[in-house]
Amino acid sequence: EVQLVESGGVVVQPGGSLRLSCAASGFTFNRYSLHWVRQAPGKGLEWVSLIQGGGDKAYYADSVRGRFTISRDNRKNSLYLQINSLRTEDTALYYCVKEASSGWPDLESWGQGTLVTVPS
Amino acid sequence: SSELTQDPAVSVALGQTVRITCQGDSLRSYYASWYQQKPGQAPVIVIYSNTRRPSGIPDRFSGSRSGSTASLTITGAQAEDEADYYCNSRDSSGDHLVFGGGTKLTV
Repeated sequence: EVQLVESGGVVVQPGGSLRLSCAASGFTFNRYSLHWVRQAPGKGLEWVSLIQGGGDKAYYADSVRGRFTISRDNRKNSLYLQINSLRTEDTALYYCVKEASSGWPDLESWGQGTLVTVPS
Repeated sequence: SSELTQDPAVSVALGQTVRITCQGDSLRSYYASWYQQKPGQAPVIVIYSNTRRPSGIPDRFSGSRSGSTASLTITGAQAEDEADYYCNSRDSSGDHLVFGGGTKLTV
């Protein structure tokens, strides 16, 4: 059974930084692309970033490019999201998501999310 | 703003059929997927590659695509289908994923 467990969400002041982590199990980690998707309170889903299985290629939403960095450690079956220069609009539940073998946009397994709060 | 457009809300009577649509130019070139999200829960994929249904998803859920519109159809809607539904696909550049704004389904 695929399990994705996010951690690292906290309350952080505007301009601050934090790193989110996602511990994965139940699948061959380095074979799959992984995504971060976020959801602001009461709002819809917003795709944030993707990293391919080997870790060699990453993609970002325009709203986060230059501030967010996605990475993975295939030895530790872990995914990360480094977030810098936090803004109030970054307040959201951040989901770690496993892509299906059929490729993107098929996001087949989701964690329960970790909450990042940037107070105004 | 999202490149995929969904109606904000749709309602259906119990046992009837409802179609939820997702419009966007990129859908002419790229597959769409559909996700169901109930309050306080993570999304669950219900349709992928426009028309395919993951194992464990009831067969009352089906997907289709015509031109720039992808559709999710629920045939014989049940009370437990009341949820938010989101489509997603690649954007026009092919280098980003985008989600539709979501449709709140009331049964």
